[in-house]
Amino acid sequence: AQTVTQSQPEMSVQEAETVTLSCTYDTSESNYYLFWYKQPPSRQMILVIRQEAYKQQNATENRFSVNFQKAAKSFSLKISDSQLGDTAMYFCALTNFGNEKLTFGTGTRLTIIP
Amino acid sequence: EAQVTQNPRYLITVTGKKLTVTCSQNMNHEYMSWYRQDPGLGLRQIYYSMNVEVTDKGDVPEGYKVSRKEKRNFPLILESPSPNQTSLYFCASSPGTGLANEQFFGPGTRLTVL
Repeated sequence: AQTVTQSQPEMSVQEAETVTLSCTYDTSESNYYLFWYKQPPSRQMILVIRQEAYKQQNATENRFSVNFQKAAKSFSLKISDSQLGDTAMYFCALTNFGNEKLTFGTGTRLTIIP
Repeated sequence: EAQVTQNPRYLITVTGKKLTVTCSQNMNHEYMSWYRQDPGLGLRQIYYSMNVEVTDKGDVPEGYKVSRKEKRNFPLILESPSPNQTSLYFCASSPGTGLANEQFFGPGTRLTVL
């Protein structure tokens, strides 16, 4: 079984500050993928960033970066220079390669304060 | 425009009245999936399909049916809806059977069962 845990139900931060969202996971597989999805008030699910477990280098996408700690099974998301448009629910998700099953965490509601 | 569409977007129904939520994608994707989103539980997979005529259960399949007669369509059927199926439903698709590919989500269907 694979599990994903997000222990921060809600967070808030001032605009332009940096914020880190936590995610831990568990899987018995060695080859897997991790994702962060953003769900703004529009409810649309948007892929923010993806990390392949066999790659040691942390993924980055503009202001978004991850801290992937494979041994600790930790996958945190860092948002730099936060903007009002970053206000959303953020979901961490895991899939084992070839498994076809995507498991989501319970989400972190992030509010950017003007 | 490449997209996943769902209909209806909002639905209020009564217990026991059969309903179908349609999902269609225009990206020629092999893989399609249904999720339900509930507060505090994140997204949970209901059913998925790796190709035409191939479907399998996710984490919460009870009370749901699906079919994949055509590549582009993956309807979700509730034969006898109950109030505990009140939820936000998402359809998603991705290009291949490996979930390293990004999943593209539809806009969601808000279902209320009275």
